Amino acid sequence: GENVEQHPSTLSVQEGDSAVIKCTYSDSASNYFPWYKQELGKRPQLIIDIRSNVGEKKDQRIAVTLNKTAKHFSLHITETQPEDSAVYFCAAAGTGGSYIPTFGRGTSLIVHP
Amino acid sequence: NAGVTQTPKFQVLKTGQSMTLQCAQDMNHNSMYWYRQDPGMGLRLIYYSASEGTTDKGEVPNGYNVSRLNKREFSLRLESAAPSQTSVYFCASSEWAGEAYEQYFGPGTRLTVT
Repeated sequence: GENVEQHPSTLSVQEGDSAVIKCTYSDSASNYFPWYKQELGKRPQLIIDIRSNVGEKKDQRIAVTLNKTAKHFSLHITETQPEDSAVYFCAAAGTGGSYIPTFGRGTSLIVHP
Repeated sequence: NAGVTQTPKFQVLKTGQSMTLQCAQDMNHNSMYWYRQDPGMGLRLIYYSASEGTTDKGEVPNGYNVSRLNKREFSLRLESAAPSQTSVYFCASSEWAGEAYEQYFGPGTRLTVT
């Protein structure tokens, strides 16, 4: 089955800095890569996703990049703000048949004011 | 439109007790899921249901059973709770929305087994 590795487990930055979270996956059949944000005590929420036919996708201060050859994808957050502090999860899934994402273990992002 | 709802929000059980976690969604999604979340372990799939009337095991199904009662409801049962089942449980539902999947999570149930 699919295996998703996520690094780092903890990331501490100053407000205004950029943050990068990296994930690798093992199954070459995976072609859909969502990212979730989970604030303390809250439910995970989808913030951005990318499909394998796209190399990069941006939404305001967040962007995702995908390298299918190397089987890795990354989340980039620019101009970080304290409200970006949360746990971020990457996931990988195929789009044929049932949707069953495999999640990374999460990155705790701390943005210091 | 409430999205995905779960009950209860908190529960404390003694070892060997049983309980059922309830989940419902009002988005007419076909697929529903139960995950457990433990510190440093991410979200691990317990069971999922691709459509009404079907259920399949996920990564960590031992000690759990599920019922897809109808399209809206998907329950998770612990027949004989063990301390290793202390965790936060999330229900989720999803549907392909043309360009991407929409997966929505419930608020979670924090379960402690003593």
